[in-house]
Amino acid sequence: QQQVKQSPQSLIVQKGGISIINCAYENTAFDYFPWYQQFPGKGPALLIAIRPDVSEKKEGRFTISFNKSAKQFSLHIMDSQPGDSATYFCAASKSGYALNFGKGTSLLVTP
Amino acid sequence: DVKVTQSSRYLVKRTGEKVFLECVQDMDHENMFWYRQDPGLGLRLIYFSYDVKMKEKGDIPEGYSVSREKKERFSLILESASTNQTSMYLCASMVRASPLHFGNGTRLTVT
Repeated sequence: QQQVKQSPQSLIVQKGGISIINCAYENTAFDYFPWYQQFPGKGPALLIAIRPDVSEKKEGRFTISFNKSAKQFSLHIMDSQPGDSATYFCAASKSGYALNFGKGTSLLVTP
Repeated sequence: DVKVTQSSRYLVKRTGEKVFLECVQDMDHENMFWYRQDPGLGLRLIYFSYDVKMKEKGDIPEGYSVSREKKERFSLILESASTNQTSMYLCASMVRASPLHFGNGTRLTVT
């Protein structure tokens, strides 16, 4: 049973555009929602994370929007760059427990 | 900086062989995890461990076992490798309420 559903599976964005990836979860006990970024040949690395006491968190060009009532959260990449081309995973868990990952989104930013 | 080291980047084994995947972390983390990554399926949890000599099944433990004799080392064992275990295997570690740190993965091919 997929506990975190992620869409789209792949995304192509022009340089300078906004990339948006969406995730939905079922378990209302989840209280930690990170996004991981993975480049080819590397393991995933934490990009940004949010807890449900806030609706938005911004770090540079990356923003997480969180909607607790809808059980949805999304990653926005502003001014997308070719160097942002990677696979992105959303995840959710109760704090300190194993993460449940979405299936991933392959992002390609074209020059 | 946290370092999670997986002993092999690429491994080719024959059906029926016993396979050991080794993982070492250098940050004294209590929690260690094994995930497998397959295209379109994302990251799926195989086993995890919250302490030495302790293990818990994840979402897809069938065909796998684990060993954690020392805090820094977590091994994944394929008792009798099968072709459907051809995959990318990712080891990760963390302390409670901190980010999950991944190794760069072992790409296993079972022929």
